[in-house]
Amino acid sequence: NAGVTQTPKFRVLKTGQSMTLLCAQDMNHEYMYWYRQDPGMGLRLIHYSVGEGTTAKGEVPDGYNVSRLKKQNFLLGLESAAPSQTSVYFCASTLGSFSDTQYFGPGTRLTVL
Amino acid sequence: AQSVAQPEDQVNVAEGNPLTVKCTYSVSGNPYLFWYVQYPNRGLQFLLKYITGDNLVKGSYGFEAEFNKSQTSFHLKKPSALVSDSALYFCAVPPYNNNDMRFGAGTRLTVKP
Repeated sequence: NAGVTQTPKFRVLKTGQSMTLLCAQDMNHEYMYWYRQDPGMGLRLIHYSVGEGTTAKGEVPDGYNVSRLKKQNFLLGLESAAPSQTSVYFCASTLGSFSDTQYFGPGTRLTVL
Repeated sequence: AQSVAQPEDQVNVAEGNPLTVKCTYSVSGNPYLFWYVQYPNRGLQFLLKYITGDNLVKGSYGFEAEFNKSQTSFHLKKPSALVSDSALYFCAVPPYNNNDMRFGAGTRLTVKP
């Protein structure tokens, strides 16, 4: 099992450009999450999904969109990147609830110039 | 709202000495509480979790955590630190109303030989 994978690992964007981060899990988990990690702030939840075809907002959703067309994939989109979105992005999944153990991907380091 | 706090940004210990990484919580009802570890350039990994029952929870890599309801704390401990324990540690609490997963800001543990 690969667990949770993320692509790409690194990306540099210019302000105003768009991009999509892909998260894939092979554990048949229902719930998937996107977080951003900034120094001194821990992880903050951007969006999450409780099943295929569902999405919901987390703590910091502005400037991001998500889609969960397939159970194993959770996409995070930035339509018009801003320097404030420079961060490390982590995807995670849980089996069937928020109180299950979270399995994290290796992260994507995004720099917006 | 559920929340956790990690009062120390940095903890330094000598190899072989006991270590403690502190976490306090504010939750409604009976809490689920987690500890995760992040090694450099990696995603978070699960260490242990408290659900109900025994106040001393044993986890991976020789770590344990003590749940203290009267002090609203869930401190991570290890009797004898290793240099390889050096990492970033996060406590976390899942949401009460399915809206947000809260992580502490993280504590950087450095174990010196």
